[in-house]
Amino acid sequence: DQQVKQNSPSLSVQEGRISILNCDYTNSMFDYFLWYKKYPAEGPTFLISISSIKDKNEDGRFTVFLNKSAKHLSLHIVPSQPGDSAVYFCAASVAGGTSYGKLTFGQGTILTVHP
Amino acid sequence: DGGITQSPKYLFRKEGQNVTLSCEQNLNHDAMYWYRQDPGQGLRLIYYSQIVNDFQKGDIAEGYSVSREKKESFPLTVTSAQKNPTAFYLCASTTRRLLLGNQPQHFGDGTRLSIL
Repeated sequence: DQQVKQNSPSLSVQEGRISILNCDYTNSMFDYFLWYKKYPAEGPTFLISISSIKDKNEDGRFTVFLNKSAKHLSLHIVPSQPGDSAVYFCAASVAGGTSYGKLTFGQGTILTVHP
Repeated sequence: DGGITQSPKYLFRKEGQNVTLSCEQNLNHDAMYWYRQDPGQGLRLIYYSQIVNDFQKGDIAEGYSVSREKKESFPLTVTSAQKNPTAFYLCASTTRRLLLGNQPQHFGDGTRLSIL
């Protein structure tokens, strides 16, 4: 039962353009969502997060949008740079209690930004 | 510099052998986690610990064991009962101070385990 899904295994974008990575979830109890960036043979690096009380969070070139009714979130990178090429994972968690901090990850999307 | 240190980076295991992966953090984080990543897949939670001397099973705990005797350390043992141990193992930690609200997990650089 895949509670967090990234349906696009890969995305290719031209440098300077917008990259949009998508993520869907099924568990309505999720209330904290995160995006991580990962290079091969390294640990994921935290990029940006959003709480379920918000629908948008921005940090520099990165913006995350949350649509709770559709159980969908997206990560926008503008402008895309070749150094953004990596695997991007979305993750979700339920706040509080014994499940605190327990993350459920999507399968990842490989982003390639061409010069 | 504060961070999470996983060792070794590469580990080889013979059939029927137990191996232990080390994870140490100096971030003063309360909670620690172990994940497994297989090719083309996301990270799956093996075990997690929110406080010293306490830990819970994640989604794929069979064939693994952990201990949390110190706040800084959360070693993972891959036992001979784990039939498909070849994977990339990642350790993470986060603070659990509720006044800070939700906090992201921070990851180490992983250990790649292979079977000889």
